[in-house]
Amino acid sequence: AQSVTQLGSHVSVSEGALVLLRCNYSSSVPPYLFWYVQYPNQGLQLLLKYTSAATLVKGINGFEAEFKKSETSFHLTKPSAHMSDAAEYFCAVSVAGSARQLTFGSGTQLTVLP
Amino acid sequence: NAGVMQNPRHLVRRRGQEARLRCSPMKGHSHVYWYRQLPEEGLKFMVYLQKENIIDESGMPKERFSAEFPKEGPSILRIQQVVRGDSAAYFCASSPSKAGNNEQFFGPGTRLTVL
Repeated sequence: AQSVTQLGSHVSVSEGALVLLRCNYSSSVPPYLFWYVQYPNQGLQLLLKYTSAATLVKGINGFEAEFKKSETSFHLTKPSAHMSDAAEYFCAVSVAGSARQLTFGSGTQLTVLP
Repeated sequence: NAGVMQNPRHLVRRRGQEARLRCSPMKGHSHVYWYRQLPEEGLKFMVYLQKENIIDESGMPKERFSAEFPKEGPSILRIQQVVRGDSAAYFCASSPSKAGNNEQFFGPGTRLTVL
């Protein structure tokens, strides 16, 4: 079975500062990894995904993530935070095969300070 | 191309009533997944369905909960005799049959409140 740990349930950054949201995964087989963003009272929007191609993945809104197998990590970064980035971010893992469901981390609430 | 649609967006039920949540997948998608998000928590997998088949229901509570995805029409998540602990946001996701990377597209969710 796979699992995801997101360190830091709340992260605050100043506008223009670097955003770093941490995600570590556990999987006995090569994983697929995803970052989703959720704005208040809305559904989940896919930011980016790792599917065993390039280890550095670029997503929407200037976000990117790097898959590091040795560290079992898939941290999300953005060089310069905008006020509109304030939201909840979820890391998720899945594996190939019949068990296609996503296993989510508990989420990180990002606050952007003016 | 419309995204995943869920209705109702908000549902209020009294304890003991039934709740029916509907999900229409994206056009061309034949796989549907239901997830539950309790307050202050991440999403938890409930059930995975294809047309007329339940593929994986390992996340479904053993009692009161059921799901279907008929040949025609939306997928339905049914909760009988609701209790206050069922209050949550229920999200549906869909994927095409050949999504080798398991990418799923999410609907806006149904927020169930049990009084």
